[in-house]
Amino acid sequence: GNSVTQMEGPVTLSEEAFLTINCTYTATGYPSLFWYVQYPGEGLQLLLKATKADDKGSNKGFEATYRKETTSFHLEKGSVQVSDSAVYFCALRDYGGSQGNLIFGKGTKLSVKP
Amino acid sequence: EAQVTQNPRYLITVTGKKLTVTCSQNMNHEYMSWYRQDPGLGLRQIYYSMNVEVTDKGDVPEGYKVSRKEKRNFPLILESPSPNQTSLYFCASSFPQPNSPLHFGNGTRLTVT
Repeated sequence: GNSVTQMEGPVTLSEEAFLTINCTYTATGYPSLFWYVQYPGEGLQLLLKATKADDKGSNKGFEATYRKETTSFHLEKGSVQVSDSAVYFCALRDYGGSQGNLIFGKGTKLSVKP
Repeated sequence: EAQVTQNPRYLITVTGKKLTVTCSQNMNHEYMSWYRQDPGLGLRQIYYSMNVEVTDKGDVPEGYKVSRKEKRNFPLILESPSPNQTSLYFCASSFPQPNSPLHFGNGTRLTVT
C-alpha cells in the first residue's frame, strides 16, 4: 500500500541556516505530493504541492521537487527564520486505497534559534 | 472566506458523558475527514467521508461515530468518552481529486477526566 516516510526530528537550526527535511514515499499509482506546516497552536495549512514527476512546488522560500526516480519529495529552504519554527508534514494523495487516498508522514518539528 | 470551522476549540469533560464536536465547511467539498494528533504519533485518521451518506473507518475508529447527512457538516460523536481519547482533534475537507489539498480546521483540544 501507499506510505510516506519523513525524517524524524526535532531539527534545530540557527537563523539563516539551510534546511532540508527528507521525505520518501511508496505508491502504486501516480500520487500528488504535499507539504503541510503546523505553527504552534494552529491547524495544518498547505505549504506547497506537486502533482506530477519533476514538478517543483514552492512557497514562502520553501521548495520541493517531485522525484519519481528516487520516490522523494524533500523540503528545502535556503535561509530559515525564527518564524519558520513549526511542525512540517509530508503527504501523498492518490486514487484508490483506504483513508480517502491521503497518507501523512509523522511530522518533523523544526526549531530555529536566533 | 473559505474555511473549515470546528467547535468547540477546547472541551473538558468526564468519562462517559456523550459529546459532539462539530465541523462545517463552506467550500462545497465532497471529502471530509477527522484526525487526532498525539505527541510522537503524528496525525491518525479516525473516520472519513467521500460524500453525503458515505463514511468509512480510518486508522483509529474505535470509540467514535460520525455522520454525513449534509455536504457541509461532519460531526464527530463520542458516545462514552474515556481518558485515552484526550487529544487534539482536527477536521479537514477537500475535493476528492488527488491534486486537491486538504483544508484544516483550527482544532479541538479535548480532555477527558
